[in-house]
Formats: sequence, C-alpha cells, structure tokens
Amino acid sequence: GAVVSQHPSWVICKSGTSVKIECRSLDFQATTMFWYRQFPKQSLMLMATSNEGSKATYEQGVEKDKFLINHASLTLSTLTVTSAHPEDSSFYICSASPSGRAVRDQYFGPGTRLLVL
Amino acid sequence: KNEVEQSPQNLTAQEGEFITINCSYSVGISALHWLQQHPGGGIVSLFMLSSGKKKHGRLIATINIQEKHSSLHITASHPRDSAVYICAVGRSATNKLIFGTGTLLAVQP
Repeated sequence: GAVVSQHPSWVICKSGTSVKIECRSLDFQATTMFWYRQFPKQSLMLMATSNEGSKATYEQGVEKDKFLINHASLTLSTLTVTSAHPEDSSFYICSASPSGRAVRDQYFGPGTRLLVL
Repeated sequence: KNEVEQSPQNLTAQEGEFITINCSYSVGISALHWLQQHPGGGIVSLFMLSSGKKKHGRLIATINIQEKHSSLHITASHPRDSAVYICAVGRSATNKLIFGTGTLLAVQP
C-alpha cells in the first residue's frame, strides 16, 4: 500500500516550453502533497506544499508563477514548469500524505528528471 | 551546522558485511524517514519512524528521540544495496521535511 507514482519519469524539452509533471497517490487519498527538487549531488529541497482544493504554499525563493501547482483531486497534484530554462533542469520529486493522517506521514514518488536544452 | 547530519558520507563494504549509517538531528521532530535513491533513479521510502525500531527484510532502522539519533542497518549486504541512503526529519512545528546530504554506499562483490 501507499504507492505514489509520477509521470513522466524522464522529460527533455526545449528552452521556453512548459512541462507538466503529475503526481498520483494510487491506493490512498492525499489531502496534502509536497513537491521537492534535487540538484546533482545536493539534498532534496522543498519547493511547495500542495493542498487539495486550495492554493499551494511556496517556500521562500520559489517563484509561484514559474512553478504552477494544481491539486484538483485527492489523488492528483500537478507541477507545471512554465517557460523552462536550462537552470530548471533538475530532479523533481513529490510526496503524498494520506488524508486523515498526520502530515508527517509522507510517501514518496519515484521522481521526474527534467532536462531543458 | 546542518540540522540533519549523516555519517559516513561515503561507505564501501564487501558483500555480506553488516552496514550502519547514522543520522543525527538538532531540531524537534515528529517523524524520521529513511529513503533510498539509486544512481539516476528515484526515491524509495524505506522507513518512517517516530520511536523505537522497525525491521523490513535485511534492513533495520532505530531511533533514539532523547539522543536525537537514528541508525539504518543493513545485514548481509549485497551489491544491489549500493545506493544513496538519505535521512529526512519532519519538524515538529511544521511537519516539513529536512533532508540530510545522504550516504553513498557501494557494496562490492
């Protein structure tokens, strides 16, 4: 149980295009999902907290207009990287917290590697 | 000083050896996670614990809340255990996770 999937697992795009990444909780409902980013040889860093039916909360230094988050259902959150640039190339990981449980209970997706040319 | 420290940063072991990776933290936490990340691959959740000890197969995770310390043990290590092991703690106040820098484990046959 508690499986989280991400799609796509890999994406290569041209500079200036937008890329959408999906995060799904497959066997549970998640009121809260988290989006993280990991640059090579660095730790994961929290980008934003996504709450179903409300606006996402972004961490300091993360541009909300660049990284659009939509959590329209209890099993799906999407991260759209708008007008992607090479510096946005990174590994993006989501996690989901089962509804009704403490937010500390997070299950991680496998990640999406983005390469912007 | 990082709020979450892991040691060692790099670890090379021979197949079959018992392995220990340590994690110390300096903040109040609600839970601690151990994650596994293979090169070029995604994150796998190994354990989430807030007290005591958990075991799954050859993996054992322990946490000492008073000492603010956790250990991940791998018994009878195998080359397929080679990966980066990451400790992450959830802050008590916010439940946001803070990640350690990871321990790169290489198990040689």
